[in-house]
Amino acid sequence: AQSVTQLGSHVSVSEGALVLLRCNYSSSVPPYLFWYVQYPNQGLQLLLKYTSAATLVKGINGFEAEFKKSETSFHLTKPSAHMSDAAEYFCAVSDRGSSNTGKLIFGQGTTLQVKP
Amino acid sequence: EAGVTQSPTHLIKTRGQQATLRCSPISGHTSVYWYQQALGLGLQFLLWYDEGEERNRGNFPPRFSGRQFPNYSSELNVNALELEDSALYLCASSGGEFGETQYFGPGTRLLVL
Repeated sequence: AQSVTQLGSHVSVSEGALVLLRCNYSSSVPPYLFWYVQYPNQGLQLLLKYTSAATLVKGINGFEAEFKKSETSFHLTKPSAHMSDAAEYFCAVSDRGSSNTGKLIFGQGTTLQVKP
Repeated sequence: EAGVTQSPTHLIKTRGQQATLRCSPISGHTSVYWYQQALGLGLQFLLWYDEGEERNRGNFPPRFSGRQFPNYSSELNVNALELEDSALYLCASSGGEFGETQYFGPGTRLLVL
């Protein structure tokens, strides 16, 4: 069965510093992996998606993530944090048993705080 | 192009009542998914509807139910509300194939008193 673990429920960085949010997955089949962002009192917005086309995936707002099969990781990075990046970030994997179950399995989320 | 829409944005009910939440998918999407985001419990999969049929449900009691209409919009019904049903309910839509991106709506925040 697929699973996702996000390391660190809370990450704090200074404005302009590197952002690194960690995600490790477990999957018995080649995974489809996603990063979503949730701003306060809003729904989830897709940042980027891994579909096996390329290991380095570029997303919106300057974010990117690198798929590393050997490490079963899909960490999210941004070279320079902005105040507007403060939000909660979720890593997710498409669940598949013997067939498509339709559901995304989410990590517990990481709250990113950006200090001025 | 319009995204996923949900109504109402907020809903206040008392214990034992019924709640009805609505979702309109992105035009062209046939699948609708419901998730519950309760404080401290993360995002939990509730239901998946595709082409008018329930395809899968998560580990929730039968008082959580729903349906999908011919225009692919969907309703989530929660009967016999309990205090722990208080949560943000998120709807998402996609084309229904494995691995497709699910696009989320803004959610309905349900408060059970």
